Formats: sequence, structure tokens, C-alpha cells
Amino acid sequence: NAGVTQTPKFQVLKTGQSMTLQCAQDMNHNSMYWYRQDPGMGLRLIYYSASEGTTDKGEVPNGYNVSRLNKREFSLRLESAAPSQTSVYFCASSGGQGAYGYTFGSGTRLTVV
Amino acid sequence: SQELEQSPQSLIVQEGKNLTINCTSSKTLYGLYWYKQKYGEGLIFLMMLQKGGEEKSHEKITAKLDEKKQQSSLHITASQPSHAGIYLCGAEKGGSYIPTFGRGTSLIVHP
Repeated sequence: NAGVTQTPKFQVLKTGQSMTLQCAQDMNHNSMYWYRQDPGMGLRLIYYSASEGTTDKGEVPNGYNVSRLNKREFSLRLESAAPSQTSVYFCASSGGQGAYGYTFGSGTRLTVV
Repeated sequence: SQELEQSPQSLIVQEGKNLTINCTSSKTLYGLYWYKQKYGEGLIFLMMLQKGGEEKSHEKITAKLDEKKQQSSLHITASQPSHAGIYLCGAEKGGSYIPTFGRGTSLIVHP
């Protein structure tokens, strides 16, 4: 089925460990986004990529890096995980046309202990 | 930055009741999205409103955009347990393709 695929679905890390969250979309969308969702805080934008080859910081970029590997893939890396990064992470994509909305992945639930 | 305030934060209703969720923007709305999130899952796109006065429906869910009030309302008629979840409104900053979201309204529907 067409859509946004995120891996892994669940992950537990120890403080200081690193990991990469993967995201891929098969809708030929130009724009891709990474959000984190915390209780009471809603969705906050971490980084986004308006098109292949470009990335920009969002509202809460500290502690994260991203790579837009190609048009399909947009990964999020935690270099040295901290308990404050415990959250649910969502990847989204958009064709830039607005009217069809933003398509979200099913999320990665990350716990840092 | 554009801020979206949703009210109420949470809602518990009996099956069959009607309900309304509001989303108010601190800045001019160029368009507004409504999403539903089932607990523990991703966000599902419901609808987008682009013009003042525009009203759209998706099954028993109707949303309307009031540009002058910088507000959108989402109305559910004859609620069912399947309507339970978190409803989020989203809008693009200044016409860009960078959406921001409200904090969500949690809906529980008791059978």
C-alpha cells in the first residue's frame, strides 16, 4: 500500500547510545518532515526537507540530525540519546500541493533510559 | 510562529451525542487541516479547508472554516465509539508547506 513507512516501531535505548530512525515514502512527494509527539505538547517539528538535497531545522532540532538520502528516504539520527528524547516520532510527507494533506507514518515509540 | 489552540482539550460523550471541537489560530489562516489519531497510531487525514465559509464533510464529521474569526470547528453528529481518538488541527505557516499543529482534543465515546 502506498504511504509512509517508518522503522523501527519501538526502540529502547540507553543514555548516550545512538540510533537512526528510518522513513520512506512511495508517493513521489517532494517534502518530508520529522515530528515528535509528547503528552500535552502536541506535534513539534524537528526537521524538514522541502526537496531532495535540502534540509532545514524546525522548532526542536537540538540533539538530532537528518539526512535526505534520496527523494524517497528521510532519516533522523540521535547521536547521543538523552531521556528527554523519549517520545513518539512521526515522519510525514507532502506533495506540496496542500489540498491532499500530509501523509503520516505510524510512528516510532522511543524510550531512552 | 503560528499557534493553534484547540478546545476542549478532552471530551467524554455518550454514544449518539453530537459534539464540537474548535481550533483557533493566532494568525491568518490560509488553510486548515483536520486529522484524527487513534490511540497509539499515526495520523489520518480527514479534510482540508481552504476558503472562508468552506464546509466539508467526511462521513458523520463536518468541518467549517471561519476566516474572520481565524477559527475552524469540527462537528460530529451522532457520535459512535469508532469516533474515539485524538483530533488535531494543523495549518501551514504563512502559506508555506510547513505545517504546525494544535495540541489535540482527546475524544472518548462511551457505548
